[in-house]
Amino acid sequence: KAGVTQTPRYLIKTRGQQVTLSCSPISGHRSVSWYQQTPGQGLQFLFEYFSETQRNKGNFPGRFSGRQFSNSRSEMNVSTLELGDSALYLCASSSGTGAGELFFGEGSRLTVL
Amino acid sequence: GIQVEQSPPDLILQEGANSTLRCNFSDSVNNLQWFHQNPWGQLINLFYIPSGTKQNGRLSATTVATERYSLLYISSSQTTDSGVYFCAVDPIYNQGGKLIFGQGTELSVKP
Repeated sequence: KAGVTQTPRYLIKTRGQQVTLSCSPISGHRSVSWYQQTPGQGLQFLFEYFSETQRNKGNFPGRFSGRQFSNSRSEMNVSTLELGDSALYLCASSSGTGAGELFFGEGSRLTVL
Repeated sequence: GIQVEQSPPDLILQEGANSTLRCNFSDSVNNLQWFHQNPWGQLINLFYIPSGTKQNGRLSATTVATERYSLLYISSSQTTDSGVYFCAVDPIYNQGGKLIFGQGTELSVKP
């Protein structure tokens, strides 16, 4: 079956703009989580959604937000982009309650100029 | 919060050599995963191993949860094994879906 799909794969924005990233989980998976990867901070957890509810949130400013739809697809939004938001954004899905085994997509690489 | 430490941070091997990567964690966990990040950035699942030992071809992993560490063994390394290896844990106090990652081990296998 298809893996985790993230779109777009690459994008370039300028400071002050906003961006929306999309993630389609593995069919049947109800949990979607988002991570940011930067050279300086490594892989950091952003938030996790399960059945359209945010179940867990990392330590990021309110400019970072997300949502999950009834079909388990998820979007994350970053408003008022800053240079430091340049990163690889990874989405992961898992099957059920609790963390379980996570499967990652190929990521969306965001560059902020 | 929980701390996850990986060692060594960098490793250079000659093709055919064996290696052991270590992951220490500071608190009890529900599960632990090992990943290999490919050159395009995707995290490839290697092992989901909250405890015990698993093997998959030339790779194997062991987690000793009571002593809070996990080991990833790579035997007869190949150039395609190059990349960054991450361990990630799900802390026992988690509500779910949140992995805490180590800083990774960057492996370079020379022909």
